[in-house]
Amino acid sequence: AQSVAQPEDQVNVAEGNPLTVKCTYSVSGNPYLFWYVQYPNRGLQFLLKYITGDNLVKGSYGFEAEFNKSQTSFHLKKPSALVSDSALYFCAVRDRGSGNTGKLIFGQGTTLQVKP
Amino acid sequence: DAEITQSPRHKITETGRQVTLACHQTWNHNNMFWYRQDLGHGLRLIHYSYGVQDTNKGEVSDGYSVSRSNTEDLPLTLESAASSQTSVYFCASSEDSSSGNTIYFGEGSWLTVV
Repeated sequence: AQSVAQPEDQVNVAEGNPLTVKCTYSVSGNPYLFWYVQYPNRGLQFLLKYITGDNLVKGSYGFEAEFNKSQTSFHLKKPSALVSDSALYFCAVRDRGSGNTGKLIFGQGTTLQVKP
Repeated sequence: DAEITQSPRHKITETGRQVTLACHQTWNHNNMFWYRQDLGHGLRLIHYSYGVQDTNKGEVSDGYSVSRSNTEDLPLTLESAASSQTSVYFCASSEDSSSGNTIYFGEGSWLTVV
């Protein structure tokens, strides 16, 4: 069965420091991987995705993520955190297999708190 | 700009009442989805549709139904609202043709069943 794990409920980082939000996945084949961000009382906003190609994916707002097939991980990173990055972050996976078009499996979410 | 809108954004209803949450997208996407978000569970798929007249059950479909009479709309109906259905509901859509397509979400509908 497909699954996504975000091992940290909350990540705290000081403004200006690098941040990492962890994600590991389990799928039967090769995955499509996504990161979304959710601000309070808002919907999910797409940040970036890995489909194929370069393992380092760059996305919105200066975020990037590294796909590591051997470790089945897709960690979200940013070189210098901003207070405005404080939000809830979701990792999601979609199996490339037929019959799964469109359905995303989400992790539990990680709250990122960036302190001034 | 194309967008996906949900209504109502906030609703309080009584146990046993029928409730319909509307979802409208202007991207002309074939794929549409309904998720619910609950603390400790993340987002879970309720129903989804790959096109007009197509509907499918997700992992938490009991007590919910959807219909797809046109490309733009996928209303979610709670047949007889229960307190366990108090949640935040998100509609989403994506193009078809590839599983790599991004899914875009609406702003959510906060539903309280009392």
